[in-house]
Amino acid sequence: NAGVTQTPKFRILKIGQSMTLQCTQDMNHNYMYWYRQDPGMGLKLIYYSVGAGITDKGEVPNGYNVSRSTTEDFPLRLELAAPSQTSVYFCASSPRLRTEGSTEAFFGQGTRLTVV
Amino acid sequence: AQTVTQSQPEMSVQEAETVTLSCTYDTSESDYYLFWYKQPPSRQMILVIRQEAYKQQNATENRFSVNFQKAAKSFSLKISDSQLGDAAMYFCAYRSATGEPDKLIFGTGTRLQVFP
Repeated sequence: NAGVTQTPKFRILKIGQSMTLQCTQDMNHNYMYWYRQDPGMGLKLIYYSVGAGITDKGEVPNGYNVSRSTTEDFPLRLELAAPSQTSVYFCASSPRLRTEGSTEAFFGQGTRLTVV
Repeated sequence: AQTVTQSQPEMSVQEAETVTLSCTYDTSESDYYLFWYKQPPSRQMILVIRQEAYKQQNATENRFSVNFQKAAKSFSLKISDSQLGDAAMYFCAYRSATGEPDKLIFGTGTRLQVFP
C-alpha cells in the first residue's frame, strides 16, 4: 500500500550542483506530475507525463528536466541548482480520467530542497 | 488556460463554529472537476471533497460541504463544527474533463487557523 513514494525527504544543495528527485508509484497510473510549492504559495506545475515515454512542460519548467521510461517512475532532474529552486517539491499521480473515470490525484510526501 | 483563485490568504474560526473558504476559477470548458485539498503541517496533501461540474447537487463529506455556483464559477468550502485538527492549508484545484492532458491546477491556498 505504498502509493506515491518520493525520495529524498530533505536535501541541501550548493549552487551549481545537480541532483535527481525520485518518484515512484505502484498504482499503475498513467498520469504523473511534478509540482513545486514555494512558501505561502500554491502548487505550480513543473512537468507532467501522460504515460511512459511522454512528457510535457507545465507552468514553471525552466531549470528542470524529466523522463518517463516506465509507468512507475518519474524522476525530476535539477542540472545547475540555483537559490530560486529552493522549494518543496511534490510528485503526484492519477489515473487517466477518460478511460478510468477516476479523478483523484495521489501525492507523495514532498521533498524539501534548499539551495545555498 | 484555466486559472484558480483563492482570495483569502488566511482565515480563522473558533472551535465548533462554521467557516467558509472561497474559491473562484476561470475556464471556457463545460465539463470539469473541482477539488478541495487539505495540507496539514505534515505536508501530506489530503483530498477533502470533489465536485463534478455536470452535477447540480453540491457535494458533502461529513462536516465538509461545498457551494458550487457554475455560472459564477465559484466553489466555496464550508466546514461545520470546526475542530482543532482542521487547522491546515486548504487548496482549491481544477481538473479538465474535456481535454487532454487533464492537468490538476491549484490555487494559492488559504491557511485556516482553529482557536479553542
